[in-house]
Amino acid sequence: QQQVKQSPQSLIVQKGGISIINCAYENTAFDYFPWYQQFPGKGPALLIAIRPDVSEKKEGRFTISFNKSAKQFSLHIMDSQPGDSATYFCAASLFHIYNFNKFYFGSGTKLNVKP
Amino acid sequence: GAGVSQSPSNKVTEKGKDVELRCDPISGHTALYWYRQSLGQGLEFLIYFQGNSAPDKSGLPSDRFSAERTGGSVSTLTIQRTQQEDSAVYLCASSLAFEQGNTLAKNIQYFGAGTRLSVL
Repeated sequence: QQQVKQSPQSLIVQKGGISIINCAYENTAFDYFPWYQQFPGKGPALLIAIRPDVSEKKEGRFTISFNKSAKQFSLHIMDSQPGDSATYFCAASLFHIYNFNKFYFGSGTKLNVKP
Repeated sequence: GAGVSQSPSNKVTEKGKDVELRCDPISGHTALYWYRQSLGQGLEFLIYFQGNSAPDKSGLPSDRFSAERTGGSVSTLTIQRTQQEDSAVYLCASSLAFEQGNTLAKNIQYFGAGTRLSVL
């Protein structure tokens, strides 16, 4: 079953607006929640990440809000710019028995910021 | 190298043929991952290498898929007797292992640009 559910599938925002992408997870053992940004023809790149012991993390225009009780987390992009147009993936990971972080990715959100 | 390098960037093959996809991780990264990204889907974990060994290959979809890593560096993903449903972008990522670096660094996977496989 899908461990991480992401919505919406696509999003259109006007320049200067706020983009919000939501994710929900099932496994309460997950202990790391990164967001990846992917431009066409490129591999995903880490954008911002949060651990479950904090409710919010902000880096520049990007903020993760984390609700542990609801098992949900979201990415907020403030003052969205056309250069933010990309596909965004949320992910969740847990310490794996083989000593690595196995990532479970959401299905992705294609963001289009209109000039 | 400066980043994760994958080759070829695009591969078109006929159904039933075998293909090999190559990944050259960031120098010094002992952990290497393969993912599959189908159209409109998220990243599907295939296999993980720590050094040359693959402690987790649970994501390989069938026995037509195999991967190896030699010298703790380059990895090859092989798909035998390709099927149309194998068409996807195959992504490779590398990271420091848990015994290297700090907690933050160990959680960062660096991705290559992927190989787009089209099976006709």
